Amino acid sequence: EIVMTQSPATLSVSPGERATLSCRASQSVSSNLAWYQQKPGQAPRLLIYGASTRATGIPARFSGSGSGTEFTLTISSLQSEDFAVYYCQQYNNWPPSFGQGTKVEIK
Amino acid sequence: EVQLVESGGGVVRPGGSLRLSCAASGFTFDDYGMSWVRQAPGKGLEWVSGINWNGGSTGYADSVKGRFTISRDNAKNSLYLQMNSLRAEDTALYHCARRLRLGELSLYAFDIWGQGTMVTVSS
Repeated sequence: EIVMTQSPATLSVSPGERATLSCRASQSVSSNLAWYQQKPGQAPRLLIYGASTRATGIPARFSGSGSGTEFTLTISSLQSEDFAVYYCQQYNNWPPSFGQGTKVEIK
Repeated sequence: EVQLVESGGGVVRPGGSLRLSCAASGFTFDDYGMSWVRQAPGKGLEWVSGINWNGGSTGYADSVKGRFTISRDNAKNSLYLQMNSLRAEDTALYHCARRLRLGELSLYAFDIWGQGTMVTVSS
């Protein structure tokens, strides 16, 4: 199984600032990488797939990059509604696997 | 509105069984593969099981293989998870999730999620 490692575990950011979240795969997953946002008491929401393609309705301030084993989710200017936990997930190899999450909190 | 609504969770003793259901609406159910993803309290996401559009292909995480069975009824727009020999470590919120489709490709990324149904395994 491919192990997905996210860093940092917690990111403290002020509203309006940029947030950069990292995700590393234990072996190459090509560009078959998704990012999800989860707020307390809510289901996860797909943000990015194919490492860099925004899902339907996702604001342009969310962007993804990377390929192989190193990936980044960038939120260009944090809004109040963006404070949440973010998960990466690979779907290149069986079984699909998630990172442990990065919590983005208000600084 | 595209929606997935899970039901069937509850409290069960170790070794017991439960059957989870997921009702789909707002989209053509038999166009999509589906999965179950769980989340233990305060923990991250863990993929549990997946099924293709017609039920002809299924897959399981090692942690549940041989104990859980995924199935679907396209006539009822429903997905199921039969859980047997339950263990304390199966305690989690179980989400039903729709697999992302890109043209004819059905990927193991998930674009629609239900709110989940809670399963607690405790004596």
